[in-house]
Amino acid sequence: GAGVSQSPSNKVTEKGKDVELRCDPISGHTALYWYRQSLGQGLEFLIYFQGNSAPDKSGLPSDRFSAERTGGSVSTLTIQRTQQEDSAVYLCASSLAHRRGAKNEQFFGPGTRLTVL
Amino acid sequence: LAKTTQPISMDSYEGQEVNITCSHNNIATNDYITWYQQFPSQGPRFIIQGYKTKVTNEVASLFIPADRKSSTLSLPRVSLSDTAVYYCLVGGAPSGSARQLTFGSGTQLTVLP
Repeated sequence: GAGVSQSPSNKVTEKGKDVELRCDPISGHTALYWYRQSLGQGLEFLIYFQGNSAPDKSGLPSDRFSAERTGGSVSTLTIQRTQQEDSAVYLCASSLAHRRGAKNEQFFGPGTRLTVL
Repeated sequence: LAKTTQPISMDSYEGQEVNITCSHNNIATNDYITWYQQFPSQGPRFIIQGYKTKVTNEVASLFIPADRKSSTLSLPRVSLSDTAVYYCLVGGAPSGSARQLTFGSGTQLTVLP
């Protein structure tokens, strides 16, 4: 079956430009997560969407980062005025739900490798 | 926040059993423990999840002691293809915030021939 897809797979941009990264979650998954993974590092949580609830933005590193999820499905992560330190792999994951204490298996996409020159 | 601590790296040989232990001293009552595997240039992939005692599936076992302050992922008879980074994740904080679902730095397992 179809998994989580992300586009583009690679993005090279110049410092100061805006970029948009797209995530298509698994159909029926109400929870969607964005993570950032710098080279050789673990995953850094960025933002989380659950159904129609207000997103949990507590992981966004600055106000240059924003994300939206339209119609409870596709999500776009936008980085404005990119900086070289934004270079990383941006991973999206989805799950059936995120509930307190419940099993929340996340299914990850292949990621978008962002390079800011 | 349920912080996790794992060894940075481990080496093993083909055919051996590998045990990777994760410490999570401030795990919350409702938290599950989940392990993910990540190959280079791919997103993490779910391996196994448990709450207490022992869980076994077709690829691994997860041992969780009674106090739940640690957990051990056991990979039987590893092969070269098991070379990957393994992440321990503790999630489901009382607030229900996804902020608690934070991956640590992971353990780089290298299986040698």
